[in-house]
Amino acid sequence: ILNVEQSPQSLHVQEGDSTNFTCSFPSSNFYALHWYRWETAKSPEALFVMTLNGDEKKKGRISATLNTKEGYSYLYIKGSQPEDSATYLCALISNFGNEKLTFGTGTRLTIIP
Amino acid sequence: EADIYQTPRYLVIGTGKKITLECSQTMGHDKMYWYQQDPGMELHLIHYSYGVNSTEKGDLSSESTVSRIRTEHFPLTLESARPSHTSQYLCASSILNYEQYFGPGTRLTVT
Repeated sequence: ILNVEQSPQSLHVQEGDSTNFTCSFPSSNFYALHWYRWETAKSPEALFVMTLNGDEKKKGRISATLNTKEGYSYLYIKGSQPEDSATYLCALISNFGNEKLTFGTGTRLTIIP
Repeated sequence: EADIYQTPRYLVIGTGKKITLECSQTMGHDKMYWYQQDPGMELHLIHYSYGVNSTEKGDLSSESTVSRIRTEHFPLTLESARPSHTSQYLCASSILNYEQYFGPGTRLTVT
């Protein structure tokens, strides 16, 4: 079983501040990395699919970077808003050839108005 | 918004009952998945399917079974529910190498 770790587990951020959190994974097993946002009482929603070392992806105020050699990805949120409150999940697709996602436990982000 | 549906959303049922959790998608995706999540824990893959008549067990051992007779439908069945099956069950679908689309989940409580 692959070990995908996310830190911190939870985070409280003042509205308007920027923040970031980390997803770590075994670099030797990398094929692709997904980021999802999961708001309370809703379904997880895909943010990014990242496949190449050095990838940087952006969607509005949210961006992500990927380092496959050292096995980590950062998710950044610029100018946090209350609607950013959610659990952010990363998930690894390994190079085992089966396209299964292995999820981390998530970072629970709360934006304080 | 993704077109993937799960019913029921909430289910409270007694020990020993047979239950089927429904999952349907209208996107024509070949790949479908079932995940289980206990509070505060990761999403764990319990079943997946790459197409009609294809089903595989996931990383987390589960007493449930699945079937894939039609592309759009991927039901999960528990023959005899037990309190240890109390959990949230999420269904998802995808196409090759792309993000997964999740349903709203079924929160199951077995008393």
